Amino acid sequence: GAVVSQHPSWVICKSGTSVKIECRSLDFQATTMFWYRQFPKQSLMLMATSNEGSKATYEQGVEKDKFLINHASLTLSTLTVTSAHPEDSSFYICSVREEPQETQYFGPGTRLLVL
Amino acid sequence: GEDVEQSLFLSVREGDSSVINCTYTDSSSTYLYWYKQEPGAGLQLLTYIFSNMDMKQDQRLTVLLNKKDKHLSLRIADTQTGDSAIYFCAERPGGYQKVTFGTGTKLQVIP
Repeated sequence: GAVVSQHPSWVICKSGTSVKIECRSLDFQATTMFWYRQFPKQSLMLMATSNEGSKATYEQGVEKDKFLINHASLTLSTLTVTSAHPEDSSFYICSVREEPQETQYFGPGTRLLVL
Repeated sequence: GEDVEQSLFLSVREGDSSVINCTYTDSSSTYLYWYKQEPGAGLQLLTYIFSNMDMKQDQRLTVLLNKKDKHLSLRIADTQTGDSAIYFCAERPGGYQKVTFGTGTKLQVIP
C-alpha cells in the first residue's frame, strides 16, 4: 500500500499564530489528497479535497480562509491553519487515494494543540 | 446524506473471534473499507470489499457484506492483544471521491 508521511507529528502553538502541516505521498504521485480532522473519541470528518494544480474543494462548514490548502506537486500537499485558536486543537490526518485500486491510505496524523 | 453506524465498544478474550458490525444507508455505496486506528496514530487500511462481493477473506480477517440489509461486518479470528484498537468502517459511492466514516468501534482484547 501507499506510504504517506506527515510533518510535524505534533505541534503546540500560541493562539493567533499560523501552523503549516505537510503531507507527502512517498511512493506514488497523487493528484488528489484529502484532509481530515478528528476530535477525541470521534470519527474522521473530511475537511477538504486537495487537487494538484487547482483549488481545493472544501466541505460545508469548513472555512477556506481559515484552513489554507496548497497542493503544489504530485507528492506534497500542505494545510495551513491560520490564526489558530484553542478550538482548532485537533488531530489532523491526510490521505491519498491510490489508483486504480481505489484504496485510500492515511498519514500518521498531526496533533495540534493551540494554547 | 450518508450515514454509517457502528457499535461503540466490543470486548473479547484473547484467542476468541471478534465480530465488528457496521450499517450504512447509502445504497449506491460501491467501495466499503475497514480501517484500524491505534492510539495516537493514523488509520491503517485493513481490507476493503466491492459491493458486488459477498465475502472477502484475508488471513485472520473475514469481511461479510449483506447488500440487501446494508450491513458490513469484520471478523477477526484468534484475536490477539495487538488487535486492541479502534476499527472504522467506511463507504464510498462509485464515481465520488468522498469517503464517509463510521463512528468507530473500540475493540478491547482481554488477555
